[in-house]
Parts: sequence; structure tokens; C-alpha cells
Amino acid sequence: GNSVTQMEGPVTLSEEAFLTINCTYTATGYPSLFWYVQYPGEGLQLLLKATKADDKGSNKGFEATYRKETTSFHLEKGSVQVSDSAVYFCALSGQGGSEKLVFGKGTKLTVNP
Amino acid sequence: NAGVTQTPKFRVLKTGQSMTLLCAQDMNHEYMYWYRQDPGMGLRLIHYSVGEGTTAKGEVPDGYNVSRLKKQNFLLGLESAAPSQTSVYFCASYPGPTTKRDTQYFGPGTRLTVL
Repeated sequence: GNSVTQMEGPVTLSEEAFLTINCTYTATGYPSLFWYVQYPGEGLQLLLKATKADDKGSNKGFEATYRKETTSFHLEKGSVQVSDSAVYFCALSGQGGSEKLVFGKGTKLTVNP
Repeated sequence: NAGVTQTPKFRVLKTGQSMTLLCAQDMNHEYMYWYRQDPGMGLRLIHYSVGEGTTAKGEVPDGYNVSRLKKQNFLLGLESAAPSQTSVYFCASYPGPTTKRDTQYFGPGTRLTVL
């Protein structure tokens, strides 16, 4: 079945550091890939997504590229801020849309001033 | 729009007690979901619904029941709570695959503790 593996946390960085959170997936067909973010005390919200190979999703300075050859969707940001402290989830869905999402275990990011 | 709301926000139960969690959405979405979030486990799907009057099992359905009598509401029931059901529960809704906003929308969560 479909599955998502993302790097174990927690990750602690200083402000303005470079961020990478690794995500790899196993899926049949051509899934869509997502990054969701969960700020403290809140529900998840979509950060970015990519629906086909070589697509790059981007939002709020975060980027991730759909790499079919390496089955990866790594999240990157060039300069993190304290306000980026949150839990980040990689997820995939089957072909067609977001009806059934499979989530990774989440990576907690803490950014210190 | 309020989006997706969940009631209650917090609850403490004793083993064997029952309760119902309410999820409401005002976006006219067809699909609704219940997830549980446990440390180190990510989100796991409990039950979901693809329309009013329909329900289906997800990855971890045992010990839970659901109902979708109205399109805007999705109820999650625990008939006899167990400590293993201590978790944070999230509801989500989704408009459908043919819409532009192809994402699930999440509620703020309900933190449930079973003693």
C-alpha cells in the first residue's frame, strides 16, 4: 500500500538557518504530494503541493519538488524564522485528488532567535 | 465562514464511559473525515464519509462509530472508552476532486483523555 516516510525530529535551528526536511514515499501510480503544517494548538493546514513529476510547490518561502526517480518530496526553506516553529507533515494521495491522504509521522521544527 | 469546527475542545472520560464528538463544516463539502493523532504516529484515518448518509472505515476504525445524518455534520462516537483511545482527534472536510481547492480542511482538534 501507499506509505510516507519523513525524517525523524525534532529539528532545532537558529533563525535564518537553512531548512531541509526529507520525505520519501511508496505508491502505486502517480500520487499527488503535499506538505501540511500544524502550528501549536491548531489543526493542519496545507503548506504546498505538487501533482505530477518535476512539479515544484512553493508557499511562504518553502519549496518542495516532486522527484519521481527518487520517490522524494523534500521540504526546503532558505532562511527560517521563529514563526516557522511547527510540526510539518508530508502526505500523499492517490490519483485524482485529496480524497484519501496518507500522512508521514510528522517532524517538529523549533526555530530559536 | 467558520470553516471546520469541533466540539468539545477538551474532554476527560473514565474507562467504559461513552461520548460523542461533533464536527461541523459550513463550506458545503461532500467529504468528511475523522483522524486521530498520536505522538510519533502522524495522523491515522478512523472513519470517513463521501456524502450525507454514507460512512466508511478507515485505517483504525475499531472502538468507534460514526454518523452523517446531515451534510454539514459528522459525529464520532465512543461507546465504551478505553485508555488506548486517549488521543487528539481531528476532523477534516474536502470539497471533492473536481474543485480547484484540492485540499482537506482541518478543524482545531479535540484532546481526549481516558483514565
